[in-house]
Amino acid sequence: DGGITQSPKYLFRKEGQNVTLSCEQNLNHDAMYWYRQDPGQGLRLIYYSQIVNDFQKGDIAEGYSVSREKKESFPLTVTSAQKNPTAFYLCASSIDETGAPGANVLTFGAGSRLTVL
Amino acid sequence: GENVEQHPSTLSVQEGDSAVIKCTYSDSASNYFPWYKQELGKRPQLIIDIRSNVGEKKDQRIAVTLNKTAKHFSLHITETQPEDSAVYFCAASHPYNQAGTALIFGKGTTLSVSS
Repeated sequence: DGGITQSPKYLFRKEGQNVTLSCEQNLNHDAMYWYRQDPGQGLRLIYYSQIVNDFQKGDIAEGYSVSREKKESFPLTVTSAQKNPTAFYLCASSIDETGAPGANVLTFGAGSRLTVL
Repeated sequence: GENVEQHPSTLSVQEGDSAVIKCTYSDSASNYFPWYKQELGKRPQLIIDIRSNVGEKKDQRIAVTLNKTAKHFSLHITETQPEDSAVYFCAASHPYNQAGTALIFGKGTTLSVSS
């Protein structure tokens, strides 16, 4: 489904629990990203990774953690430290070669909607 | 860091009219400016993009213009159709701590085309 798969599609969490959102891509893209989407707020960058075993904080990284142990996978953990975690989470990937055709063009997953009860 | 402002937040037009959405950015190092369309309940999809060595790019009814001096870029949709109704996001590339770049998005414009 577009080469990038997110799961689960819907997730409910009790306050104080950590949850992990999965993101897998078979596009052979080097770079992967996590964005959070709230109504009227656009897409805000949480974390991104350019290569395996390396990742960088985006604008709203507090309360989130990621890992990049494999090129295909970039899971996002929403920790209990995230004060307002209810949101729609989008994972994306892209070619990362500067100047290459398609560089920086994001392919998005279908998203995961997290609700805190 | 990079800040991308997008206007208007909502836009209503009649079918066949033109629609223009404008964005400004703050980081002069940004060199890639895409536009994404997100239909209700779906993922964002790239509709057109422009890189900093080009001032204008057109693809059928859609065009994007870039003014690097003024740090603004715009999306133009001509002959709008009801299926153009969606949320449109502009974005600008932003270098993070010399560790690659990521896209910073505007807050989106909800375009409604009525027939």
